[in-house]
Amino acid sequence: DAGITQSPRHKVTETGTPVTLRCHQTENHRYMYWYRQDPGHGLRLIHYSYGVKDTDKGEVSDGYSVSRSKTEDFLLTLESATSSQTSVYFCAISGTATNQPQHFGDGTRLSIL
Amino acid sequence: GESVGLHLPTLSVQEGDNSIINCAYSNSASDYFIWYKQESGKGPQFIIDIRSNMDKRQGQRVTVLLNKTVKHLSLQIAATQPGDSAVYFCAENGSSNTGKLIFGQGTTLQVKP
Repeated sequence: DAGITQSPRHKVTETGTPVTLRCHQTENHRYMYWYRQDPGHGLRLIHYSYGVKDTDKGEVSDGYSVSRSKTEDFLLTLESATSSQTSVYFCAISGTATNQPQHFGDGTRLSIL
Repeated sequence: GESVGLHLPTLSVQEGDNSIINCAYSNSASDYFIWYKQESGKGPQFIIDIRSNMDKRQGQRVTVLLNKTVKHLSLQIAATQPGDSAVYFCAENGSSNTGKLIFGQGTTLQVKP
């Protein structure tokens, strides 16, 4: 398995609270991605990073921010969580932008009450 | 049997039979394609990939076929086993040079013992 660790694995929190999810990799890969997975929508890209301090938005970035201060860590923050952000969140990494698969962590199940 | 991704259909096969999972991809500019397997409670796991300069690629018990004329991708699993039961996703790279992938909705494969 690719060296990807997501934390926490499960979290329950209340609407309006801030939440930060962490993705840690040991592969020294340049590219990191955050997805959410919901029934009927498949995997949707939230934000991605193409290097330290280099990030960009995906298709469902509203309400989320990210930071990457070092190669191995990519943080996803929900500044003020809403019930619509209840989902399973996956982090993925890849070594290059093209012709290499992304490898995924095992996800964080986030419930916002 | 065969099935088309995008609406999370279910393909049910007998243990030992061959399985064929289909995917209609969306972007004619895509030149890299990936199949993933996702088991319950886990992240997507890379199975096999193919570039557009090929129309067939084989792995261990799996074969991916690419038909660019009709934008169709299929995954064949030989001698299907109970451990193959999972959701299978195809992904394409679209016209992105940032590693972003477009994912299909997935097909559930059920293997009957």
